[in-house]
Amino acid sequence: EAQVTQNPRYLITVTGKKLTVTCSQNMNHEYMSWYRQDPGLGLRQIYYSMNVEVTDKGDVPEGYKVSRKEKRNFPLILESPSPNQTSLYFCASARDLIGTEAFFGQGTRLTVV
Amino acid sequence: AQSVTQLDSHVSVSEGTPVLLRCNYSSSYSPSLFWYVQHPNKGLQLLLKYTSAATLVKGINGFEAEFKKSETSFHLTKPSAHMSDAAEYFCVVSGTGTASKLTFGTGTRLQVTL
Repeated sequence: EAQVTQNPRYLITVTGKKLTVTCSQNMNHEYMSWYRQDPGLGLRQIYYSMNVEVTDKGDVPEGYKVSRKEKRNFPLILESPSPNQTSLYFCASARDLIGTEAFFGQGTRLTVV
Repeated sequence: AQSVTQLDSHVSVSEGTPVLLRCNYSSSYSPSLFWYVQHPNKGLQLLLKYTSAATLVKGINGFEAEFKKSETSFHLTKPSAHMSDAAEYFCVVSGTGTASKLTFGTGTRLQVTL
């Protein structure tokens, strides 16, 4: 089954404690991306990757890091989480961006206290 | 640059009546346009997409959308709402060429009442 898998689904952490949210896709997609969803703001792009070892900033990259060492994995790293990073996070992948469907993970609800 | 404006943050309809969710877009390129649906505590699911073929696009669950270039609109419609349609709907644009992201609208929450 074609899917994007995120882990964990729910996470509560304390300010400053490094964390990683994993994302894996099994469709051999070149494009992967992270979004955060906040009420009234829709989904905003954090980082994206067009291929292995190619990553770039989206609209709200501050406080986040990513890596793309393998095609299937695109982890999101918060080196020092802060309460304003409390949000619902989605990973997505697509074959490309020219009219093809993006597939989304189930989401990770992160709370930073 | 590209952007999407969903004109209503919340729409309420009665079951069995038509649904209209409005979306306007701006894009420097020939856009691809999508509607995604998000049910509570779920990920996003593709409803339909426009990719420069037919301007009237049919999607899943009886939804359809019409691409109107002159109005830069891509409104989502359904003739008869069902309770299971209650969800949040996102209009999304992606560009061609060097565009590198999907740009989301802020979402429209559809409420369906008996």
